Amino acid sequence: ETGVTQTPRHLVMGMTNKKSLKCEQHLGHNAMYWYKQSAKKPLELMFVYSLEERVENNSVPSRFSPECPNSSHLFLHLHTLQPEDSALYLCASSQDALVGTEAFFGQGTRLTVV
Amino acid sequence: AQKVTQAQTEISVVEKEDVTLDCVYETRDTTYYLFWYKQPPSGELVFLIRRNSFDEQNEISGRYSWNFQKSTSSFNFTITASQVVDSAVYFCALSVVRDDKIIFGKGTRLHILP
Repeated sequence: ETGVTQTPRHLVMGMTNKKSLKCEQHLGHNAMYWYKQSAKKPLELMFVYSLEERVENNSVPSRFSPECPNSSHLFLHLHTLQPEDSALYLCASSQDALVGTEAFFGQGTRLTVV
Repeated sequence: AQKVTQAQTEISVVEKEDVTLDCVYETRDTTYYLFWYKQPPSGELVFLIRRNSFDEQNEISGRYSWNFQKSTSSFNFTITASQVVDSAVYFCALSVVRDDKIIFGKGTRLHILP
């Protein structure tokens, strides 16, 4: 069983829908991350939370809205997405947000926007 | 600016052969970390190794070995006696102390043929 669990594993949504991705970590870590993995592009860091405070937002469009209610849970709220937002969204956690700390990843949510 | 180049997009080798995955990085910082992650078909990235810029000692872990050469800005990864289970996408990544971001390469897809 992975220490980082993401649900759902697959999601198909229309451009006018609102949906949320959920991530839960059971490792007692203090930092959590959202990454986007598109075909033929490098893995892109979207958001970083450390001790439930957002510490990084890499110029992500506002149609992606993260939420971190506690150190174990991270959400990514989606609304009015575009087809180019179709990708694998990976959640990760690490002991802290310090540079050089290895991250533990979930299996991802495969998102398709139609 | 930081950059990670994995020039090999895709590699196929026959089982039991040795294979080396190349990683070249660019940074002007003197303090940084390098990582390798494995992404099997299940989706999650699995941490393999972290190296800091002050430790050029090569490392061996079972069939895996890493060759860190600051002179050529390379951090190559070798799998000895490859197995079908090694089939995955492998990512090299760079993180500098001055900047909280982690930069991933585009990954190398490795196929181990039975």
